Amino acid sequence: SQQGEEDPQALSIQEGENATMNCSYKTSINNLQWYRQNSGRGLVHLILIRSNEREKHSGRLRVTLDTSKKSSSLLITASRAADTASYFCATSLAAGNKLTFGGGTRVLVKP
Amino acid sequence: EAQVTQNPRYLITVTGKKLTVTCSQNMNHEYMSWYRQDPGLGLRQIYYSMNVEVTDKGDVPEGYKVSRKEKRNFPLILESPSPNQTSLYFCASSLSGTGLFIFGQGTRLTVV
Repeated sequence: SQQGEEDPQALSIQEGENATMNCSYKTSINNLQWYRQNSGRGLVHLILIRSNEREKHSGRLRVTLDTSKKSSSLLITASRAADTASYFCATSLAAGNKLTFGGGTRVLVKP
Repeated sequence: EAQVTQNPRYLITVTGKKLTVTCSQNMNHEYMSWYRQDPGLGLRQIYYSMNVEVTDKGDVPEGYKVSRKEKRNFPLILESPSPNQTSLYFCASSLSGTGLFIFGQGTRLTVV
């Protein structure tokens, strides 16, 4: 079964608004990563947060990790039409090992 | 440019006709893996390799084979493809210990 489950499955917002999506997982992890996938294309790595970190920023992205709740959130601030994509969380039990993906959140940013 | 290259990008084939999807990385990464992506099921790992001549099954290995004779290449082999192997396939590589993965652009396979 999937390690990560994402919520919501789909999200529609206006350009300029913030987009928040959540990821829950089941077992202890070494790190959690977020990826973006434009329609049917390759996955692009966005950000990695390690199990001993609680928050990380990269440009307009903010990721939080709560290991006690086994959950993470990805916030995209001031969204743009180009942010329209599917976003996946993926967990790794050990550095360099297998990634286990969630089902993804489809984000539509309307201009 | 650091990248993972898959070929072909698109393939339509018939049931039972053996095929190979190639994957090559130019970053000297030890770890490589194959995933398939299906609607509603996300990405699931097929096989992975920790280094040359070291491969192991992932979550959905049935119907697939892999080999790792060289560090840079990790081909995925479908000896007798079936329609349930119609999917979008991704190869990924990682420098062991970093947890950072680079994905290829994907291979969309249709088996009729």
